[in-house]
Amino acid sequence: AQSVAQPEDQVNVAEGNPLTVKCTYSVSGNPYLFWYVQYPNRGLQFLLKYITGDNLVKGSYGFEAEFNKSQTSFHLKKPSALVSDSALYFCAVRDDGYSTLTFGKGTMLLVSP
Amino acid sequence: EAGVAQSPRYKIIEKRQSVAFWCNPISGHATLYWYQQILGQGPKLLIQFQNNGVVDDSQLPKDRFSAERLKGVDSTLKIQPAKLEDSAVYLCASSQLGTGGSEAFFGQGTRLTVV
Repeated sequence: AQSVAQPEDQVNVAEGNPLTVKCTYSVSGNPYLFWYVQYPNRGLQFLLKYITGDNLVKGSYGFEAEFNKSQTSFHLKKPSALVSDSALYFCAVRDDGYSTLTFGKGTMLLVSP
Repeated sequence: EAGVAQSPRYKIIEKRQSVAFWCNPISGHATLYWYQQILGQGPKLLIQFQNNGVVDDSQLPKDRFSAERLKGVDSTLKIQPAKLEDSAVYLCASSQLGTGGSEAFFGQGTRLTVV
């Protein structure tokens, strides 16, 4: 079975500082990894994905994520946080031998002015 | 390109009543998903369709939940009878494919409150 863990319920960072939201995964085959963001009373918006190739993936709004196969991690990063980045972030995984997209429990990111 | 459309946005019902949600996916997307998101939790897959066939419904409480995808396009999710624990946001999503790196695009969701 595939699974995703987001170990932090909340991440606090000051505006202008770098941010990291952690994600680890478990699959039996090769992983396809995704990050989504959810603003209040909205659906999930796709940020970026890892399929294969370069371990550093760049996505929307200046976000990027680093795939680390040995640590089974796919952490979301941004060099300089904005107050408007405050939202709920979800990591998701799909095993290449299984078609369901499985989500983590989410991490609330709070960026203070 | 139009996104995933869902209706209604909000619904309040009493326990033991029935309710139905509607979803229209992005045009051309073969895969359609229904997720349940309980407050403070990540989305949980209820059912996944590939065209009009069911790929995965292992977490769908089949004694009270049902879903169909009409002609491989629109979909409805029904709850009958509803329980208090069904209070959640029901998210519909679609993707071109249901495998590999095909990302899912989500609608705004239907917030269901069962009282």
